[in-house]
Amino acid sequence: DGGITQSPKYLFRKEGQNVTLSCEQNLNHDAMYWYRQDPGQGLRLIYYSQIVNDFQKGDIAEGYSVSREKKESFPLTVTSAQKNPTAFYLCASSIPGQQYSNQPQHFGDGTRLSIL
Amino acid sequence: AQTVTQSQPEMSVQEAETVTLSCTYDTSESDYYLFWYKQPPSRQMILVIRQEAYKQQNATENRFSVNFQKAAKSFSLKISDSQLGDAAMYFCAYRSVITYKYIFGTGTRLKVLA
Repeated sequence: DGGITQSPKYLFRKEGQNVTLSCEQNLNHDAMYWYRQDPGQGLRLIYYSQIVNDFQKGDIAEGYSVSREKKESFPLTVTSAQKNPTAFYLCASSIPGQQYSNQPQHFGDGTRLSIL
Repeated sequence: AQTVTQSQPEMSVQEAETVTLSCTYDTSESDYYLFWYKQPPSRQMILVIRQEAYKQQNATENRFSVNFQKAAKSFSLKISDSQLGDAAMYFCAYRSVITYKYIFGTGTRLKVLA
């Protein structure tokens, strides 16, 4: 079955350290997204990518970076510049294009990042 | 910019009763899509129901239905015959047909009382 795999499930970061969250999909979707989820704030968009080798900043991109070298993969790096990284991170994918606008996003199971 | 507002942080419903979760949104676009997602304690995001803005008929999926009022920019979710498994966070989401961005509300936590 197709789906989105996020790893690891739990991740701990030390002060001053960069960490990378993995997101892989086999749904053949062109568009991929990273969200941050904090209590009481819903899902906030960090970065999104509509096609390989292209990505755009979302609403809270500061302190994060991404790459999109392959259609299947959209890793998120939480840099040391992100001073409050403790949160639940969700990766999603969808089919872009206006004709597919009724298609929902598919989500991974998430990664919980904590500070040591 | 589009915004989505869920004004009820938490709701409770007795098992087998009906509950309505509210969602309002703001947009200048005439065509768009709206979704309700459920997030149980497992944190998985599960699609509950979707609505296309150009369709006047309210979407229905088994015990779940929406009341879509385009002029009022309102998109409420009604859950009938509530079950214990319905207990979860519910998120309302907006998708623009111009960008690929989805905008989510802050969520409503639904408790189902036995």
